[in-house]
Amino acid sequence: DQQVKQNSPSLSVQEGRISILNCDYTNSMFDYFLWYKKYPAEGPTFLISISSIKDKNEDGRFTVFLNKSAKHLSLHIVPSQPGDSAVYFCAARDGQLTFGSGTQLTVLP
Amino acid sequence: NAGVTQTPKFQVLKTGQSMTLQCAQDMNHEYMSWYRQDPGMGLRLIHYSVGAGITDQGEVPNGYNVSRSTTEDFPLRLLSAAPSQTSVYFCASSYSNGYYGYTFGSGTRLTVV
Repeated sequence: DQQVKQNSPSLSVQEGRISILNCDYTNSMFDYFLWYKKYPAEGPTFLISISSIKDKNEDGRFTVFLNKSAKHLSLHIVPSQPGDSAVYFCAARDGQLTFGSGTQLTVLP
Repeated sequence: NAGVTQTPKFQVLKTGQSMTLQCAQDMNHEYMSWYRQDPGMGLRLIHYSVGAGITDQGEVPNGYNVSRSTTEDFPLRLLSAAPSQTSVYFCASSYSNGYYGYTFGSGTRLTVV
């Protein structure tokens, strides 16, 4: 049973618009949430994180929102750029990291 | 600064063969782990280590062995390869079990025929 779910395998947005990637989780013991970005033939790279005691964290164009009551995490990218096209994984920590299945983001020029 | 180095990048094995996937990091990270990535499954934890001499099982440990004799190295051994072990394998390290994010290697693509 997947504890971390990314229900959208793919997402396409126009350059300059907002990209919103979503993630749902079931384990209430998760204390830390992270987003990773992965290009083909490369390892995932850390993007942004948020502690369970916060509901928002920003880093430049990237903002992560955490809704603990809904057990929902989202990543907003504003404005989206073609270089943002990649697979995005959300991950949650309860001792170890559990990853979602990923969302392929395509930013169209 | 090399970060996390994985070798080989590609490997084809026959069913029943054994091999070792190498992972080395030069960041003096205590925490290291191995993941496998399969289509539609995300990354699943195989084994992890919180320091030299200490290892533990993750979500999918069967068919794999690990050891951690030094802080730098964390090899993953496939004892008797099976087609179900065809996957992309990633090694990762971290300063403090993820607070500052994991640093991943570039992966090893393994095919078992």
